[in-house]
Amino acid sequence: AQSVTQPDIHITVSEGASLELRCNYSYGATPYLFWYVQSPGQGLQLLLKYFSGDTLVQGIKGFEAEFKRSQSSFNLRKPSVHWSDAAEYFCAVVLREDSSYKLIFGSGTRLLVRP
Amino acid sequence: SAVISQKPSRDICQRGTSLTIQCQVDSQVTMMFWYRQQPGQSLTLIATANQGSEATYESGFVIDKFPISRPNLTFSTLTVSNMSPEDSSIYLCSAEQGSYGYTFGSGTRLTVV
Repeated sequence: AQSVTQPDIHITVSEGASLELRCNYSYGATPYLFWYVQSPGQGLQLLLKYFSGDTLVQGIKGFEAEFKRSQSSFNLRKPSVHWSDAAEYFCAVVLREDSSYKLIFGSGTRLLVRP
Repeated sequence: SAVISQKPSRDICQRGTSLTIQCQVDSQVTMMFWYRQQPGQSLTLIATANQGSEATYESGFVIDKFPISRPNLTFSTLTVSNMSPEDSSIYLCSAEQGSYGYTFGSGTRLTVV
């Protein structure tokens, strides 16, 4: 079955350090992939998306992600983390069934930032 | 991308009652979705709502508990019926917007007492 997996429940990094959040998907065709961020008590904000083309995708707030078909991965990266990046991060994949396009979420990774 | 207005933003309800959540999109969209986010959890899709047809429910969700309306291309409602404390969650609506991806409302934080 199609799915998306985020293997890390929590990640703690120091402010200014680099960040990589892992996302793996299980899907037969080329997936549509997304990363969202949810700050405490806030709604979901789209960081970036991949539909096709260049496998390195640039997003907002200095984030980027790389689609690697051979590894079925779409990891999110940021070269230098800011304290305001502390939040919950969700990877998501579009599940295409008949004429329906449903967005399915991973379990999320909570990012903690040490001062 | 579109903007989705969702209301109420939060509510505290008595068990056994029902709550209707509304989502208004500022442009026409074909596909809308309703999600539930239980405390500390990820988002789980409840149903897909296309204008002019019955909502399609995911496994574990039924129409009697979560009736959905989609009267036009800019509006949808989700009702949480006969509520119990286990229904305490954040409920979010979403709209599919082609190359823009999926836009979300700000959510309704529901507490059932």
